Amino acid sequence: GAVVSQHPSWVICKSGTSVKIECRSLDFQATTMFWYRQFPKQSLMLMATSNEGSKATYEQGVEKDKFLINHASLTLSTLTVTSAHPEDSSFYICSAPWTSGFYNEQFFGPGTRLTVL
Amino acid sequence: GNSVTQMEGPVTLSEEAFLTINCTYTATGYPSLFWYVQYPGEGLQLLLKATKADDKGSNKGFEATYRKETTSFHLEKGSVQVSDSAVYFCALATGANSKLTFGKGITLSVRP
Repeated sequence: GAVVSQHPSWVICKSGTSVKIECRSLDFQATTMFWYRQFPKQSLMLMATSNEGSKATYEQGVEKDKFLINHASLTLSTLTVTSAHPEDSSFYICSAPWTSGFYNEQFFGPGTRLTVL
Repeated sequence: GNSVTQMEGPVTLSEEAFLTINCTYTATGYPSLFWYVQYPGEGLQLLLKATKADDKGSNKGFEATYRKETTSFHLEKGSVQVSDSAVYFCALATGANSKLTFGKGITLSVRP
């Protein structure tokens, strides 16, 4: 199956700094990737759809200036949490669809644990 | 809009017990339905899926049948193992971009 990686797997930063999280499709190309946020013991909340070569599409209530998304190539999307604050601490997960037959199956990265002090 | 409702958890079972995790959905159009599993410290993995009504998805002893009439996709396993302890998410997708809508997830703990 297809593999999606994320880097870093965990990061601790000071309040006010920016953090970049990478999502890579290792053995397939992805023109679209999805970024999710998962709070403890809660479901995944879709934050935005990352589109290669164009602007990301953000879900309602997600601050686009706070969560910058860049999809620079067919295998890499980055999420930058700008001026991070403790309330941004969360588990961030990306996914990428891979075509298998007639359906695009989603493959998920292992997630990035962000802790903002 | 689309939504997925899962039964409240957590669920604790003894090894070899029968498992049912309920999932119902609302969606526009004809969704595909999924169960994802998240083992401790890991990312989500697709457990099984069904793309049309009456399809049965199965994997690792788990099964779920796409019931359009009851808008349900309940997950079942006849005999759970300790290694099945994880968080289980029901999800659906509609449209060409495969955007997923997740349920809240349920934690399953299996005792030896």
